[in-house]
Amino acid sequence: DVKVTQSSRYLVKRTGEKVFLECVQDMDHENMFWYRQDPGLGLRLIYFSYDVKMKEKGDIPEGYSVSREKKERFSLILESASTNQTSMYLCASRPSGRSETQYFGPGTRLLVL
Amino acid sequence: QKEVEQDPGPLSVPEGAIVSLNCTYSNSAFQYFMWYRQYSRKGPELLMYTYSSGNKEDGRFTAQVDKSSKYISLFIRDSQPSDSATYLCAMSYLSGSARQLTFGSGTQLTVLP
Repeated sequence: DVKVTQSSRYLVKRTGEKVFLECVQDMDHENMFWYRQDPGLGLRLIYFSYDVKMKEKGDIPEGYSVSREKKERFSLILESASTNQTSMYLCASRPSGRSETQYFGPGTRLLVL
Repeated sequence: QKEVEQDPGPLSVPEGAIVSLNCTYSNSAFQYFMWYRQYSRKGPELLMYTYSSGNKEDGRFTAQVDKSSKYISLFIRDSQPSDSATYLCAMSYLSGSARQLTFGSGTQLTVLP
């Protein structure tokens, strides 16, 4: 079974804090993704990575950065958290090749006060 | 206009009913079509995956794609309370050398016992 884990289920941070969200997958997948999920807007892609140390911007990268130092781990960084970054953050992974299936973690619900 | 439009619901049906969930899309570049199911406080999980026009059946679930009308549907027969979840349509496209997904906003379904 593919397993994608996220470091926290719930986080409460203050405006201006630096926030780290960690994601680990155990299936040796090349591709990893960070999304945020908001009511009425669905899942929106923030960043993705198709290899170690490689990253690509998604649809809404502003205010975020990412790090992928090891294949199994993909980190999302909020440099200076703002209230409009309150959201559910979902990490996903996908093997290379023709597979379209993305495997999701349980999500981190972040509240920025 | 969003690339993918999904009926937002919420949808509430009695147990045993046939459920129809729908998405329309505008981007002809979408090649693969998926339905994800997301239980409360969990990450999305892949339910159905298809790439051609027509119907694909898996147990009580049928995925239908009509590329000429840019319309996809998910039918659930003999719906059960355990089907209560948010259903997300997703469509795959090639961005540069990487495949990405665009999601609908999700339909929340409740099946009443």
